[in-house]
Amino acid sequence: EVQLVESGGGLVKPGGSLRLSCAASGFTFSSYSMNWVRQAPGKGLEWVSSISSSSSYIYYADSVKGRFTISRDNAKNSLYLQMNSLRAEDTAVYYCARVEWFGEETDYGMDVWGQGTTVTVSS
Amino acid sequence: EIVLTQSPGTLSLSPGERATLSCRASQSVSSSYLAWYQQKPGQAPRLLIYGASSRATGIPDRFSGSGSGTDFTLTISRLEPEDFAVYYCQQYGSSPPITFGGGTKVEIK
Repeated sequence: EVQLVESGGGLVKPGGSLRLSCAASGFTFSSYSMNWVRQAPGKGLEWVSSISSSSSYIYYADSVKGRFTISRDNAKNSLYLQMNSLRAEDTAVYYCARVEWFGEETDYGMDVWGQGTTVTVSS
Repeated sequence: EIVLTQSPGTLSLSPGERATLSCRASQSVSSSYLAWYQQKPGQAPRLLIYGASSRATGIPDRFSGSGSGTDFTLTISRLEPEDFAVYYCQQYGSSPPITFGGGTKVEIK
């Protein structure tokens, strides 16, 4: 079964750090780009960061640039998000999602999602 | 930055009715890079449509996507009880690479 399982969320004080993990199984993890997407309580979806299959290409939303670092370990089938200098507005459920290129690798979609891990930034 | 504006914010309909959801982009978006997701309370999003009009694996044919350029539409031909949820459009390709619309909630009337 194709699956993504996030972990590492929790309660942290403003200015603190947290490292999220996403364990992949049931597919060849090293062949796929991956995303982190978050959702603040009662709000919509917000893209956070992307990483290509070999880590050659990395992108961040402006809201997290300089504070968050995405990485992956293909040998461990794992995706990570190191979050530093956390703010109250980073409070959200964080999802990891697999990127699929459909058709003749022309059409983009996030076709597998984890169940999410909750990050709460509060004093 | 490409901004995706979804309308209406909330759609109140009865089971069996047709739902038409709009996603308008602030700049032209390649159809290849426009996707739709469904999210139910307490669940992760689920990919419905990619390439503006192709259904993802396992998605019923009552869901259809259309549009090009700056105007895209998700249509649910006949609402089933399990279709009441929030729907998001998403684009890929411009800086930032990915943006989502604000979502449309389809609720039971």
